Amino acid sequence: NAGVTQTPKFQVLKTGQSMTLQCAQDMNHEYMSWYRQDPGMGLRLIHYSVGAGITDQGEVPNGYNVSRSTTEDFPLRLLSAAPSQTSVYFCASSYADTYNEQFFGPGTRLTVL
Amino acid sequence: DQQVKQNSPSLSVQEGRISILNCDYTNSMFDYFLWYKKYPAEGPTFLISISSIKDKNEDGRFTVFLNKSAKHLSLHIVPSQPGDSAVYFCAASHNTNAGKSTFGDGTTLTVKP
Repeated sequence: NAGVTQTPKFQVLKTGQSMTLQCAQDMNHEYMSWYRQDPGMGLRLIHYSVGAGITDQGEVPNGYNVSRSTTEDFPLRLLSAAPSQTSVYFCASSYADTYNEQFFGPGTRLTVL
Repeated sequence: DQQVKQNSPSLSVQEGRISILNCDYTNSMFDYFLWYKKYPAEGPTFLISISSIKDKNEDGRFTVFLNKSAKHLSLHIVPSQPGDSAVYFCAASHNTNAGKSTFGDGTTLTVKP
């Protein structure tokens, strides 16, 4: 199993550009989430999904869009990149049972100039 | 309002000694607590967890203690090894939202040989 994969690993954008961060998992997990980590801070939840076709906002959703058309994939779209979105982005997945740990991808380091 | 707090940004211990990492939470709805370990340029990986019906959970060198009345948990690593040097995140969730967690800002542990 590849686990949770994320592409790209690194990305540089100019202010106003849009892009999609890709996330895929091969563990048949129902739950998938996107977090961002800023320097010296913990992970903050952007959006999450409890299954295909179902998404909800997390703590910091503004400027991001998600959709979940399949169990495996959960892309994160930046609509119009801003320097404040410079961060490391982590995708995670887990089973839907009550108590389960999340499995994280390796992260995408995004810089917005 | 940060619901999960790790008040020590860093901790340095000697190899072979005990490492104690602390975490406080404010939301009494949290009933499941996890510790994740993160190496540079990698995603977090699950280390150990505890549900609110327990006050201790042990896994090899790692033990997590939960004090519900104080809304405090701690991670003990005995004996500490240089390979334990990493950032440790405390996370909390509740069973109605098992797929998402609230994270603390992390504690950087350095174990000196």
